[in-house]
Amino acid sequence: DAGITQSPRHKVTETGTPVTLRCHQTENHRYMYWYRQDPGHGLRLIHYSYGVKDTDKGEVSDGYSVSRSKTEDFLLTLESATSSQTSVYFCAISEWVNEQFFGPGTRLTVL
Amino acid sequence: QKEVEQNSGPLSVPEGAIASLNCTYSDRGSQSFFWYRQYSGKSPELIMFIYSNGDKEDGRFTAQLNKASQYVSLLIRDSQPSDSATYLCAVNKEGAQKLVFGQGTRLTINP
Repeated sequence: DAGITQSPRHKVTETGTPVTLRCHQTENHRYMYWYRQDPGHGLRLIHYSYGVKDTDKGEVSDGYSVSRSKTEDFLLTLESATSSQTSVYFCAISEWVNEQFFGPGTRLTVL
Repeated sequence: QKEVEQNSGPLSVPEGAIASLNCTYSDRGSQSFFWYRQYSGKSPELIMFIYSNGDKEDGRFTAQLNKASQYVSLLIRDSQPSDSATYLCAVNKEGAQKLVFGQGTRLTINP
C-alpha cells in the first residue's frame, strides 16, 4: 500500500460533529473506493469514484458524502457523525475495476 | 440471501496440512473472483484472482471456480503459521464497477 495513504489514521470525535477522511494515491489509478469494515459484516462499500467528479453510491451510503476534485484525492465526509459510524474505514484504488489495492485504514470512534 | 457468503470460522488447521476456504455467490452474472488476505489490524491484500472455471495455481495457493455450482474456493497447501489471517472472498459482475465482499473466514494454523 505504498501508493495509497489515508489521513488521519485514528480519530475520536463526538456525535453530531462533521468528519472528513482523506485518501491520497500516487498511482494515477482511475477508480477509488471507500469501504467500512465492522465485525460480522466484512467490507461494505460506501461510495466509489470512476473519475474526477464522477462518483456513485455503494450499499451503505446513507450519512456519507464524497468528493473527488483531483485524480489523486478522494474525500469521505460524515456530515454529522453518529455512533453507528464508528468503524474502520478503508480506501482502495484500482486501474481496472477488479484488482483493488487497499490503503492502511482509518479507525474512527464516534462518542 | 447475501450476495457473497463465507463461513466466518474460525477454521483451525494443523501446520503442514491443506487449508480449504469456501465462498458461494448468488448472482449468476458474476464474472471475476478474488481472494484477499487480511492480517489482524492490517488492510486486505490481494493474493489470487480467477476468471475461468477450473483451477488456478500460484505457489502454495490454488483458487478453484465452479460457475455452475456458484462457488469459489481457495486451497492453501503446506499451511504455515504465517497463513493465519482472515480470508475475504470478493466477486465482480460483468459491467459492474465494484466488488462485493463476503464477511471473511478466520483461519488459524496451529504449529
